[in-house]
Amino acid sequence: AQSVTQLDSQVPVFEEAPVELRCNYSSSVSVYLFWYVQYPNQGLQLLLKYLSGSTLVESINGFEAEFNKSQTSFHLRKPSVHISDTAEYFCAVSDALDSNYQLIWGAGTKLIIKP
Amino acid sequence: DVKVTQSSRYLVKRTGEKVFLECVQDMDHENMFWYRQDPGLGLRLIYFSYDVKMKEKGDIPEGYSVSREKKERFSLILESASTNQTSMYLCASSFYRGETQYFGPGTRLLVL
Repeated sequence: AQSVTQLDSQVPVFEEAPVELRCNYSSSVSVYLFWYVQYPNQGLQLLLKYLSGSTLVESINGFEAEFNKSQTSFHLRKPSVHISDTAEYFCAVSDALDSNYQLIWGAGTKLIIKP
Repeated sequence: DVKVTQSSRYLVKRTGEKVFLECVQDMDHENMFWYRQDPGLGLRLIYFSYDVKMKEKGDIPEGYSVSREKKERFSLILESASTNQTSMYLCASSFYRGETQYFGPGTRLLVL
């Protein structure tokens, strides 16, 4: 069965510094990959996704993630973070071998921006 | 824009009470989901539904039931609330299976 690992539960970083949030999944046969963001006291919202095509996907607020099939990873990066990026970030994967096509979720990574 | 609404943002109930959490989506999505979110555990799927009157158990269905009488509405029911059901409950919907899910704002439930 598919599983998703977000190795870091918290990532503290100074404002304007680069950040990488790591996501690894267990099976690479055929997958869709997602990053969601949850701001304090809000529901989750889609940040970016990979379905097919270019392995590098970008969000409108400067985040990017790269699908690496050999490493079974989909790490999220931003070259310069802002205080407004403070949130919890969730990686999710859906597996074409799962007939229900459920999303399998990582445990989340809290991004803490230090001024 | 897709809008998913949940009936309450905060709810306080007593042990043994029957609790209803309502979720409504306005984009004619076939698929609807209920998750609970606990610190360090991410999102865990309770139940999902791919059609009206259809329901499937997720990973942690014990102590919960659901109802989907209309396409736009998916209700989560705690038959007899217990303190270990204190959590954040998130509803989501999607157009395609395995594709982008759209979330409501969540209901933070406290069971005393």
